[in-house]
Amino acid sequence: ILNVEQSPQSLHVQEGDSTNFTCSFPSSNFYALHWYRWETAKSPEALFVMTLNGDEKKKGRISATLNTKEGYSYLYIKGSQPEDSATYLCAFIELYDYKLSFGAGTTVTVRA
Amino acid sequence: EAGVVQSPRYKIIEKKQPVAFWCNPISGHNTLYWYLQNLGQGPELLIRYENEEAVDDSQLPKDRFSAERLKGVDSTLKIQPAELGDSAVYLCASSLVGSGEAFFGQGTRLTVV
Repeated sequence: ILNVEQSPQSLHVQEGDSTNFTCSFPSSNFYALHWYRWETAKSPEALFVMTLNGDEKKKGRISATLNTKEGYSYLYIKGSQPEDSATYLCAFIELYDYKLSFGAGTTVTVRA
Repeated sequence: EAGVVQSPRYKIIEKKQPVAFWCNPISGHNTLYWYLQNLGQGPELLIRYENEEAVDDSQLPKDRFSAERLKGVDSTLKIQPAELGDSAVYLCASSLVGSGEAFFGQGTRLTVV
């Protein structure tokens, strides 16, 4: 079982503030890293699929960076809004195995 | 295009009873996953199919859990008999290839009383 860790476990953010959180994963046999957003009562949906060291991806106010050599990825939310409240999951895919191994998630609550 | 469809959305059963969950993946997706999600934890893989073949079922508690993927399309996950500790959300996901973006259903929330 691969060790994929996310921190912190939860975040409370004031509306308008920016925040970030971390996903750490094994630095060997890297194939890809996915970020998913899981809102209450909905299905998890993919935010980013990251494959290259140094990748930076952006979708609206949300962006992510990837460092495969040291085994971490950051997710940033700029100017948090209440609709950003969700659990953010990262999933590591190991070379040759190709299955998703999820972290426990970071639950973000944005207060108006 | 329809997404991944799971049923039922909610299920409450008494312990020692059997229960089954159904998943219809996105058309054309070869890879199908069943995940278990306990409160406060990330999804944990139970079984992964490539077409109709279970390629990874190492985390499936085979004494009480079973799964099948009919003709490489729909899948069912069964628990018999259910235990109190099986209360969780069971998520189904599919992807075009094993390494690709996964698309999830809304999950089945099981409560065993």
